[in-house]
Amino acid sequence: KQEVTQIPAALSVPEGENLVLNCSFTDSAIYNLQWFRQDPGKGLTSLLLIQSSQREQTSGRLNASLDKSSGRSTLYIAASQPGDSATYLCAVPTGGGADGLTFGKGTHLIIQP
Amino acid sequence: GAVVSQHPSRVICKSGTSVKIECRSLDFQATTMFWYRQFPKQSLMLMATSNEGSKATYEQGVEKDKFLINHASLTLSTLTVTSAHPEDSSFYICSARDPRGAYEQYFGPGTRLTVT
Repeated sequence: KQEVTQIPAALSVPEGENLVLNCSFTDSAIYNLQWFRQDPGKGLTSLLLIQSSQREQTSGRLNASLDKSSGRSTLYIAASQPGDSATYLCAVPTGGGADGLTFGKGTHLIIQP
Repeated sequence: GAVVSQHPSRVICKSGTSVKIECRSLDFQATTMFWYRQFPKQSLMLMATSNEGSKATYEQGVEKDKFLINHASLTLSTLTVTSAHPEDSSFYICSARDPRGAYEQYFGPGTRLTVT
């Protein structure tokens, strides 16, 4: 059974800092990995999707890397802003032929102005 | 990116009644949609996979007779919570897999269900 772990569970930093959020998964037989953002009481916004053949993806100040063999991904946020405050979720396909996603518990990020 | 909508955004119902939640893919056709549940301060848990034109596939521990799923068209899936109880109160979110490109999943805004 696929399990996803995210570290740290919570993070509070001053504005302007560069951040790294970590995600690990137990079953490396995945075909992609997604990072999402969730604001309180809201749905999910897809940030980045990395295919299993890729090592990283970039979108603006966000960069996600994937090391499939070691079961790890990182989300790098450059020059953090207060608007980046949210919960960041990492998710991989559940596996076994199913395409639903298994999520980590998320990293609750607060950027202090 | 693709857009997925959900309706209603919030619903309050009395114990014993049934509630229907709709999930629509607005700008693409989705043969597969997914339903998740999220309890306070917890992550999303996959409940079931909704397949257009066939029966849904439920995850272990999810009662299929309680959570009825219908995927009647390529843009609409519905989740009906039957005989709702207070412990069914949760945030329900659907997603749809966009078959164009990388099979990225797009999520709806969620439905907050409160059973009194």
